[in-house]
Amino acid sequence: ELKVEQNPLFLSMQEGKNYTIYCNYSTTSDRLYWYRQDPGKSLESLFVLLSNGAVKQEGRLMASLDTKARLSTLHITAAVHDLSATYFCAVDTRLFAGTASKLTFGTGTRLQVTL
Amino acid sequence: DTGVSQNPRHKITKRGQNVTFRCDPISEHNRLYWYRQTLGQGPEFLTYFQNEAQLEKSRLLSDRFSAERPKGSFSTLEIQRTEQGDSAMYLCASLSGQNTEAFFGQGTRLTVV
Repeated sequence: ELKVEQNPLFLSMQEGKNYTIYCNYSTTSDRLYWYRQDPGKSLESLFVLLSNGAVKQEGRLMASLDTKARLSTLHITAAVHDLSATYFCAVDTRLFAGTASKLTFGTGTRLQVTL
Repeated sequence: DTGVSQNPRHKITKRGQNVTFRCDPISEHNRLYWYRQTLGQGPEFLTYFQNEAQLEKSRLLSDRFSAERPKGSFSTLEIQRTEQGDSAMYLCASLSGQNTEAFFGQGTRLTVV
């Protein structure tokens, strides 16, 4: 069974600091997604990583994918309070030939940026 | 509004009642997914439609759950004889056949009392 693990599960960081969230997964996949979720809200797509070595950046967030290590990272640079949210990685898998692909989510990392 | 739309946004029901949720995907998207998210957890896959065909169902989807997408457009998710353990956020996502990105609706939050 596919496992998607994120760490840390909870992260409290000061404004202006840098930090990295890690996403490990247990099966072969070359597609990985990062989503943001605010309390009580739905999921907002942040990044779609489609190949080994893919790196994408948007503002203070940068995501990368290493399919050989089955690892993705979400790096936060100079955090600001507005980044406080829960961040999920999701792995796109097609378990058997002929089945649909679907996203398997990690448990999420709750980020709290303090002033 | 060109996003994924879900109704209702909130539903409170008594245990044992039936509930039905609706999802309207982005109009040109032929792929539609239902997910369930409980507090503090990531979304869990429930079922998948390609056009009107339900191609995959999770083991999480017990006999009390049924989903339809009759004309390949909107979809409904029905839960019969609700239980307290069904309390969760139910999320719908859609994407086109060529698209790599899934777009999620605002979700329906179900509370079973």
